[in-house]
Amino acid sequence: GAVVSQHPSRVICKSGTSVKIECRSLDFQATTMFWYRQFPKQSLMLMATSNEGSKATYEQGVEKDKFLINHASLTLSTLTVTSAHPEDSSFYICSARATGGHSDTQYFGPGTRLTVL
Amino acid sequence: QKEVEQNSGPLSVPEGAIASLNCTYSDRVSQSFFWYRQYSGKSPELIMSIYSNGDKEDGRFTAQLNKASQYVSLLIRDSQPSDSATYLCAVNGYTGANSKLTFGKGITLSVRP
Repeated sequence: GAVVSQHPSRVICKSGTSVKIECRSLDFQATTMFWYRQFPKQSLMLMATSNEGSKATYEQGVEKDKFLINHASLTLSTLTVTSAHPEDSSFYICSARATGGHSDTQYFGPGTRLTVL
Repeated sequence: QKEVEQNSGPLSVPEGAIASLNCTYSDRVSQSFFWYRQYSGKSPELIMSIYSNGDKEDGRFTAQLNKASQYVSLLIRDSQPSDSATYLCAVNGYTGANSKLTFGKGITLSVRP
């Protein structure tokens, strides 16, 4: 099956620092990747849609200057949380959509747990 | 506003029973339907996708789709304690570059040994 990796799996940082999270599709090309955030006991919340070679599309209420997304290749998208604060602590999950066939199936990465002190 | 509704749960079934998870969606033009399983502290894992009316079986899992009733369900036969997780229903309104999934809030299944 399609495999998506994320790095790092867990990060603890001080308030005010920036954190970069990588999302890679390992065995397929993904023109589109998605970034989600999930708080404890809550459902997934889509933050943004990342298209290779173009600007990301952010959901309403998500600050594009705070959550920088770069999708430089068909296998890599990055999310940078700039000037992180404790309220940004959450579980960040990416997904990648495979091209071809039923091209709307999303495969999720294992997630990155961010804790901001 | 596209909506995906799942039973409020939690759902508890004994080991070996059939677990039935239901989902309704509001966008009549929805094309693709997915069930994901999410263990506590982990990311979602794709279990089933279904695109046409009727049943689709994969091992102990059967997805059922009824587009006229805007209803999709997941049946888990011979439920095992390892099936205990949150199950997310997801719907895609259309295919194409700009398509995205709308998720239900999930239902937590507990399989009692």
